[in-house]
Amino acid sequence: ETGVTQTPRHLVMGMTNKKSLKCEQHLGHNAMYWYKQSAKKPLELMFVYNFKEQTENNSVPSRFSPECPNSSHLFLHLHTLQPEDSALYLCASSQDLQYYEQYFGPGTRLTVT
Amino acid sequence: QKEVEQNSGPLSVPEGAIASLNCTYSDRGSQSFFWYRQYSGKSPELIMSIYSNGDKEDGRFTAQLNKASQYVSLLIRDSQPSDSATYLCASLMEYGNKLVFGAGTILRVKS
Repeated sequence: ETGVTQTPRHLVMGMTNKKSLKCEQHLGHNAMYWYKQSAKKPLELMFVYNFKEQTENNSVPSRFSPECPNSSHLFLHLHTLQPEDSALYLCASSQDLQYYEQYFGPGTRLTVT
Repeated sequence: QKEVEQNSGPLSVPEGAIASLNCTYSDRGSQSFFWYRQYSGKSPELIMSIYSNGDKEDGRFTAQLNKASQYVSLLIRDSQPSDSATYLCASLMEYGNKLVFGAGTILRVKS
């Protein structure tokens, strides 16, 4: 595998379900990000991790819970989501926080029913 | 006030023409700017970065930056139908090390 991978690529979940999104980067980067992309809206930064430490939580509701066990892996745990949370969730990585060329994974298309 | 603004388009150009995509930003302290291409149903792909005033060329792509006017543009020469996509402009905020994206401009290249 090369670049940034994400699983699953598509996810349908009910509002009472608990699920997790996984991101893995094979670029040797130290910073990882979660973004939300809704139709016709700009990419919204959700969380930033640098060397496994969270450096930014962009006022994200607590029903989204990130986890970064090491610099190569990033998870987004989901519980009791709302239909308006349906969107494309994108993971990205960069060399570090001072080097802002970010590389994106393919995304997870999430539908909350 | 939107921090990074782009015309949503669609911008339609004939094959072989120059496509000009524009972006303005509000943070006067921003120093780094990026252009991403996003095909429908796909994730953004970095195509250009620019840090200094002036032009930066890479193949058929030229990024232009004017910090005094807070303006960034992307020119695509010899446009091809495969260039049809949404182009996202992003700027790195001076404070907070945060990359802020515009909503994107849809480009359609007609053969």
